[in-house]
Amino acid sequence: NAGVTQTPKFRVLKTGQSMTLLCAQDMNHEYMYWYRQDPGMGLRLIHYSVGEGTTAKGEVPDGYNVSRLKKQNFLLGLESAAPSQTSVYFCASSYIAGGNEQFFGPGTRLTVL
Amino acid sequence: AQSVSQHNHHVILSEAASLELGCNYSYGGTVNLFWYVQYPGQHLQLLLKYFSGDPLVKGIKGFEAEFIKSKFSFNLRKPSVQWSDTAEYFCAVNAREDGNNRKLIWGLGTSLAVNP
Repeated sequence: NAGVTQTPKFRVLKTGQSMTLLCAQDMNHEYMYWYRQDPGMGLRLIHYSVGEGTTAKGEVPDGYNVSRLKKQNFLLGLESAAPSQTSVYFCASSYIAGGNEQFFGPGTRLTVL
Repeated sequence: AQSVSQHNHHVILSEAASLELGCNYSYGGTVNLFWYVQYPGQHLQLLLKYFSGDPLVKGIKGFEAEFIKSKFSFNLRKPSVQWSDTAEYFCAVNAREDGNNRKLIWGLGTSLAVNP
């Protein structure tokens, strides 16, 4: 049982490049989340999904897109990376009956030059 | 809008000192409450949670928290900290009756440094 996994762990991009971050969970959780973590700003929700085929905006969605084609996967895309998107990205999942206790992946450290 | 406030942004303690980290939230209805810990370079892990029942909850590694409904607070405590408790601590709240109850509202975190 791997829990929540994220790919890749590290990435360096140049401004304007695109990339996709992959989150996978093997706990059959309904809900999945993408956060970014920046020093002094805590965790900020980018997008989330309450089920396969559904997505919703969080508090900082601009510049990001997401897709949840399969229940176990939640993809975060950056179409045209900007230096302001340099951050650590965490994926999390939770289950309906779990009171929204969230389980986190190990994170992806992204640097945009 | 709902919010979570963690009063201490940075705390420095010596080993064996007692710890109390404050957390207050602004939602007036029923809540689920969480404390998460993030050790340096790692992801967030659940420390403890409160859904209902005894307002004094015990978590891992000797941590406990007390829910005081009248004060909208969920403070984290540990009687004697260790160097290995050096980490960032996050309080989070889920408003159970709110339309946005699929999300957690997060505090900004408290950075704890324990000197050996």
